[in-house]
Amino acid sequence: GQNIDQPTEMTATEGAIVQINCTYQTSGFNGLFWYQQHAGEAPTFLSYNVLDGLEEKGRFSSFLSRSKGYSYLLLKELQMKDSASYLCAVLNDYKLSFGAGTTVTVRA
Amino acid sequence: DVKVTQSSRYLVKRTGEKVFLECVQDMDHENMFWYRQDPGLGLRLIYFSYDVKMKEKGDIPEGYSVSREKKERFSLILESASTNQTSMYLCASRPGDGYSPLHFGNGTRLTVT
Repeated sequence: GQNIDQPTEMTATEGAIVQINCTYQTSGFNGLFWYQQHAGEAPTFLSYNVLDGLEEKGRFSSFLSRSKGYSYLLLKELQMKDSASYLCAVLNDYKLSFGAGTTVTVRA
Repeated sequence: DVKVTQSSRYLVKRTGEKVFLECVQDMDHENMFWYRQDPGLGLRLIYFSYDVKMKEKGDIPEGYSVSREKKERFSLILESASTNQTSMYLCASRPGDGYSPLHFGNGTRLTVT
């Protein structure tokens, strides 16, 4: 089975840093994705990790530790437009299974 | 840019009706997926297809079936709609390499009354 956990909600101030954690226990593992989803819109791809370590893409970074079943998404220099849900998803063969998502609210 | 198009943005159907949700992608992707999204539960996989005429059950296939007669089109069928199938339905596709990200359609908000 698949068990993917992430916090339900987080709040941060504009310009700050927020770290969204994701822990997983899955029957197989071929990589971990992070998606962003604004209210009423489709999820959009942010990052992909298959090896341990940090992947950086501008203001967003994602980290993976396969031995610990753990990943985080780091959002730096927060902007109001970063208010959204962030979805952690684990790839197992063809199948991508999602956590319930973390709603991030950025306050001025 | 990859385009995944779902035929309807909003649908209202009655209990017991047969419902078809259509999804078309224009990038020759091998893999296609149907998810439903509910508050607090996130995205749950209903069915996926890794190639034409191939289909696999996801985590919650009960009450649903699918059809993939052509590579670009993946249909979700609710044989007899029930109120607990009221949800947001999202279609997605990706190439068959297994490591490329999913591209999602804009979703169909289905209400069953």
